[in-house]
Amino acid sequence: SAVISQKPSRDICQRGTSLTIQCQVDSQVTMMFWYRQQPGQSLTLIATANQGSEATYESGFVIDKFPISRPNLTFSTLTVSNMSPEDSSIYLCSVDGIRQGEDWGDTQYFGPGTRLTVL
Amino acid sequence: SQQGEEDPQALSIQEGENATMNCSYKTSINNLQWYRQNSGRGLVHLILIRSNEREKHSGRLRVTLDTSKKSSSLLITASRAADTASYFCATAPPSNDYKLSFGAGTTVTVRA
Repeated sequence: SAVISQKPSRDICQRGTSLTIQCQVDSQVTMMFWYRQQPGQSLTLIATANQGSEATYESGFVIDKFPISRPNLTFSTLTVSNMSPEDSSIYLCSVDGIRQGEDWGDTQYFGPGTRLTVL
Repeated sequence: SQQGEEDPQALSIQEGENATMNCSYKTSINNLQWYRQNSGRGLVHLILIRSNEREKHSGRLRVTLDTSKKSSSLLITASRAADTASYFCATAPPSNDYKLSFGAGTTVTVRA
């Protein structure tokens, strides 16, 4: 497995502002993802964070609203831009393809999440 | 989009009893993973079962997979208060086994 950390763990923000969430993993991984979990709901994939290139967004999510960076194999950021109360959710990063010696695993692990409240 | 559907939505049991929850999905899969989430925190990975496997065990957990019925079940034996959580199944398609689709989840409450 891998140890995944997210910063901040929670935040309360004013509408119209932006928040950048960081995700750090302690192993090299091939894939990193960002999910959103709205209150009382299941997880929805926002995008795949691609190293060194633009993220791949799922239907309903756009780069202007959720810009993502992934400068290397162990780190990614998600920015929630121009926030509104509807953006209040838990945001989770996940990783897949953890390097295990010469091989890469196929289990997806999740970070602890960032609980965002927008007033 | 959500592919998995969990049943039941909520389950309340006495400590020591077994808890069973089911997950049904619509399209072919590469693998199916079960996760636990405590009180809106991060997801803890429980078990991954591949499409060519029928059953897997991990401690008090037993997962079955029936690809002909497109369904999976998670059994927790001898439940404990610490098992109180939401449980999610997530499926990965054959074309992209990294891209998970999550079900709505089953909320399990274990009463002491």
